[in-house]
Amino acid sequence: DAGITQSPRHKVTETGTPVTLRCHQTENHRYMYWYRQDPGHGLRLIHYSYGVKDTDKGEVSDGYSVSRSKTEDFLLTLESATSSQTSVYFCAISEEPGARDEQFFGPGTRLTVL
Amino acid sequence: AQSVTQPDIHITVSEGASLELRCNYSYGATPYLFWYVQSPGQGLQLLLKYFSGDTLVQGIKGFEAEFKRSQSSFNLRKPSVHWSDAAEYFCAVGPYSSASKIIFGSGTRLSIRP
Repeated sequence: DAGITQSPRHKVTETGTPVTLRCHQTENHRYMYWYRQDPGHGLRLIHYSYGVKDTDKGEVSDGYSVSRSKTEDFLLTLESATSSQTSVYFCAISEEPGARDEQFFGPGTRLTVL
Repeated sequence: AQSVTQPDIHITVSEGASLELRCNYSYGATPYLFWYVQSPGQGLQLLLKYFSGDTLVQGIKGFEAEFKRSQSSFNLRKPSVHWSDAAEYFCAVGPYSSASKIIFGSGTRLSIRP
């Protein structure tokens, strides 16, 4: 199994509070991704990174920011959480972008915003 | 618009029976196609992928998929399912080299009847 961990695995927070989710990899892969998974929507890309300090927006980036100061860590921040951000969040990694390479997924973080 | 449709939200099959999960896509360029499986509480794992060549693709765990360009389909099949195949299955389509453009279907949940 690819070495990807996510923390926390579960979090309950209140509307308006900041939340940071962490993805940590031990594979030294260049690309890292944050997805959210919601019933009926499959996975939707929030942000991705193609190197240290290099990030870009995905399909559903509003309300989220990311940072990557080290190859192994990719942080997802909800500056002011809203109930619509209740979801399961998955981190993924790959050596190459797009379909050129398999994406390996972490175990997910279940976030509930009350 | 680019999209992936998995028309079956939930399928139940008996153990030992054959399985076919449907996937239809709409994509303007050469599609690169994937099937992922998600076991309960886990991240996604790649089952198989199609880039080019033989339209029948073999994957892990005894799964195969057939690419039919004329029907814009990439259906997943297994001749005899096992109880351990109970999971959610996602079809995805993307370009060869863009990290931001892989599109996932909404998933099909597979239940196995003893």
